[in-house]
Amino acid sequence: DGGITQSPKYLFRKEGQNVTLSCEQNLNHDAMYWYRQDPGQGLRLIYYSQIVNDFQKGDIAEGYSVSREKKESFPLTVTSAQKNPTAFYLCASSIPGGDTQYFGPGTRLTVL
Amino acid sequence: GENVEQHPSTLSVQEGDSAVIKCTYSDSASNYFPWYKQELGKRPQLIIDIRSNVGEKKDQRIAVTLNKTAKHFSLHITETQPEDSAVYFCAATPRGSSASKIIFGSGTRLSIRP
Repeated sequence: DGGITQSPKYLFRKEGQNVTLSCEQNLNHDAMYWYRQDPGQGLRLIYYSQIVNDFQKGDIAEGYSVSREKKESFPLTVTSAQKNPTAFYLCASSIPGGDTQYFGPGTRLTVL
Repeated sequence: GENVEQHPSTLSVQEGDSAVIKCTYSDSASNYFPWYKQELGKRPQLIIDIRSNVGEKKDQRIAVTLNKTAKHFSLHITETQPEDSAVYFCAATPRGSSASKIIFGSGTRLSIRP
């Protein structure tokens, strides 16, 4: 999991702003994922991508958007339509056809 | 849909004692069961996993058991140490999930008393 990076570590957003969270991996993994974690809660899947230029909605996709233009990169945009975006965001990746997901260090987003 | 239930939500044990966390899953076709450990403010890290063709797996002080008939699996930590304090998540991957989509349990906060 040392090959997955997320930036920034902390992010502050004003209401009504869109913000983009970065996720990069150099593990040659095809599949990438975005999760949201609220305090004291589990992981909820936002979006996932199996291959470049393809992605699917997870369980809580409303108010979020993603792109997958490169294998190494899977940025997440939190739009103004997301009513309660304050949370810890985790990116993960896995090998082709594999099951084990490896996580990045996370981005903590706070709405001011 | 698929569901993974995890118990207990919090667990406190004396240092040196054993800790057991249990999970049940709903999709009988699930075939991969990882366990993750998450320290405060950090990323989840894989600590052990088991596949449906195996009943038990051990790695030093950590073991996982799987009962496919009852659709439950458990994490066992023996000789607990202060550094075992963390939140532990179980998970299950439904068979046929082409993107290796994982369903996570809600987590167990484990505290080790000195």
